[in-house]
Amino acid sequence: DTGVSQDPRHKITKRGQNVTFRCDPISEHNRLYWYRQTLGQGPEFLTYFQNEAQLEKSRLLSDRFSAERPKGSFSTLEIQRTEQGDSAMYLCASSFEGSTNEQYFGPGTRLTVT
Amino acid sequence: LAKTTQPISMDSYEGQEVNITCSHNNIATNDYITWYQQFPSQGPRFIIQGYKTKVTNEVASLFIPADRKSSTLSLPRVSLSDTAVYYCLVGLTGGFKTIFGAGTRLFVKA
Repeated sequence: DTGVSQDPRHKITKRGQNVTFRCDPISEHNRLYWYRQTLGQGPEFLTYFQNEAQLEKSRLLSDRFSAERPKGSFSTLEIQRTEQGDSAMYLCASSFEGSTNEQYFGPGTRLTVT
Repeated sequence: LAKTTQPISMDSYEGQEVNITCSHNNIATNDYITWYQQFPSQGPRFIIQGYKTKVTNEVASLFIPADRKSSTLSLPRVSLSDTAVYYCLVGLTGGFKTIFGAGTRLFVKA
């Protein structure tokens, strides 16, 4: 297993367009997290899945954001009607239930909204 | 969730020991303390975790006093490649809704 992967690594889109990012966690991990990180700040929690269930969702996640993990494996994060303020690095992480708070992060998807 | 306070930045030289202290006055009884490291354009990487006293692994040591209101990450003999941002987090193990602060930017100079 090569770790958490994310696709694409970079995305440039025009304001108002929809974008979708994919995260493939480490295969035996049943917990999956999404974060957003802007320059000079720490990652901000967006949402969390345990298997296919979305158990926690930040108030940062407006109605334009939706995340899914349909079969408890990979996850997608969609942003509808993108705004310039959505420009950020979107990070995915996974962990194993019962482990310590040791989350394994992917390389991130950098979104630029023009 | 307990809020953490860390220095914004620190400078060091190669070969020195670096200690980064994190304050978490409102830590709850069940909270663990976890440290992550992040290099530019990469996701954070778990370094170490502890509940009380001292924890050591191949990368770092973590010192936690009895009142657990603070913790200190100790990096022995740093090298240029240790230049990164270090985050202190408190929360339950396996914790969803993980809260990162702004972190401490460590600059290691030759």
